[in-house]
Amino acid sequence: AQSVTQLGSHVSVSEGALVLLRCNYSSSVPPYLFWYVQYPNQGLQLLLKYTSAATLVKGINGFEAEFKKSETSFHLTKPSAHMSDAAEYFCAVTSFGAGSYQLTFGKGTKLSVIP
Amino acid sequence: NAGVTQTPKFQVLKTGQSMTLQCAQDMNHEYMSWYRQDPGMGLRLIHYSVGAGITDQGEVPNGYNVSRSTTEDFPLRLLSAAPSQTSVYFCASTLQGQANSEAFFGQGTRLTVV
Repeated sequence: AQSVTQLGSHVSVSEGALVLLRCNYSSSVPPYLFWYVQYPNQGLQLLLKYTSAATLVKGINGFEAEFKKSETSFHLTKPSAHMSDAAEYFCAVTSFGAGSYQLTFGKGTKLSVIP
Repeated sequence: NAGVTQTPKFQVLKTGQSMTLQCAQDMNHEYMSWYRQDPGMGLRLIHYSVGAGITDQGEVPNGYNVSRSTTEDFPLRLLSAAPSQTSVYFCASTLQGQANSEAFFGQGTRLTVV
């Protein structure tokens, strides 16, 4: 079964610093990978997704992620953190079960941005 | 642009009470699902549906029932609430249950069972 592991439940960065959120996946087949963001007291929204078209994926709000098969990783980065980036970020992978694809989420990484 | 609408936003239940969490989407999506979110646990799939009249269990289905009589609605029922069901519940919908499909989420229902 497919799964994802997010390293670090809480990451703090200074405003303007690089953001790096780590995600490693486990999959016996080529995976479809996603990053979702959850702002306080809101639902999740899609940041970006990898669907094998390109290994470097650009998303909304200046975020991007690189798929590295050799490292089974899909880390999320942003060159310069902004206060508005403070949120919880979830890496997810699709898995197939009972006739349908389902999203399996990591445990999440809460990003704090220090002014 | 309503998207996915969940009601209520907040609810407090006593142990043993029953209730239904409502979820409606106006995007004509076939696939709908319910997740619960607990601190440090991420989101875990409770039940899902691939279309009207078809439902199936996810990772943590015990204590919850679902039905799907229309494409738009996918209610989640707690028959006898327990403190372990205190959580934030999210409903999501996807155009089709495809591997690269984006899921659209509601705003969540924060449930406390006392």
